[in-house]
Amino acid sequence: DGGITQSPKYLFRKEGQNVTLSCEQNLNHDAMYWYRQDPGQGLRLIYYSQIVNDFQKGDIAEGYSVSREKKESFPLTVTSAQKNPTAFYLCASMRRAVYGYTFGSGTRLTVV
Amino acid sequence: DQQVKQNSPSLSVQEGRISILNCDYTNSMFDYFLWYKKYPAEGPTFLISISSIKDKNEDGRFTVFLNKSAKHLSLHIVPSQPGDSAVYFCAASALNAGGTSYGKLTFGQGTILTVHP
Repeated sequence: DGGITQSPKYLFRKEGQNVTLSCEQNLNHDAMYWYRQDPGQGLRLIYYSQIVNDFQKGDIAEGYSVSREKKESFPLTVTSAQKNPTAFYLCASMRRAVYGYTFGSGTRLTVV
Repeated sequence: DQQVKQNSPSLSVQEGRISILNCDYTNSMFDYFLWYKKYPAEGPTFLISISSIKDKNEDGRFTVFLNKSAKHLSLHIVPSQPGDSAVYFCAASALNAGGTSYGKLTFGQGTILTVHP
């Protein structure tokens, strides 16, 4: 069964801590994306990667970091520099020439 | 700068009637548009798409209309069913821009659709 797996589903972070959200896909997709969802603001792009070892900032990259060491994996680190990290985070992937994203089921991050 | 806008935060429709969800965009480079459906605590799922070379695309109960001159698209659901109740996101991309823009989708804020039995 091919798909995207995000873990954990729920994550609690203390102020000042870094946390890493996992995103793994077995769809053999080239491109991967991280979005953040806040109420009333839709989905906003954080980072994206079109090939291994390469990634670009999206619209709201400040306070986040990513890596793309393997085609299957695109972890997102929410650093202490992110001032308002509480949100629902969505990972997506896409295969070139078959346009449209496949999304994971999301991670809800809450700062306590 | 909100390049894709869904100005109706919510829409309530009776079962069996038509649901019309609207989306406006400002970037004239956008040439591919998609609609996604999302249930709470889940990832969005792809619904239907349209290229800018078309003005209509149909898939079962779902039809998307594109008016390029008005920079407006709409999703029609006929007939609406209670299971259609979800958040609907409009998304756009500059597919032919190429380079690092390829694949980057810009989403609207979403419209919550509620279909009453």
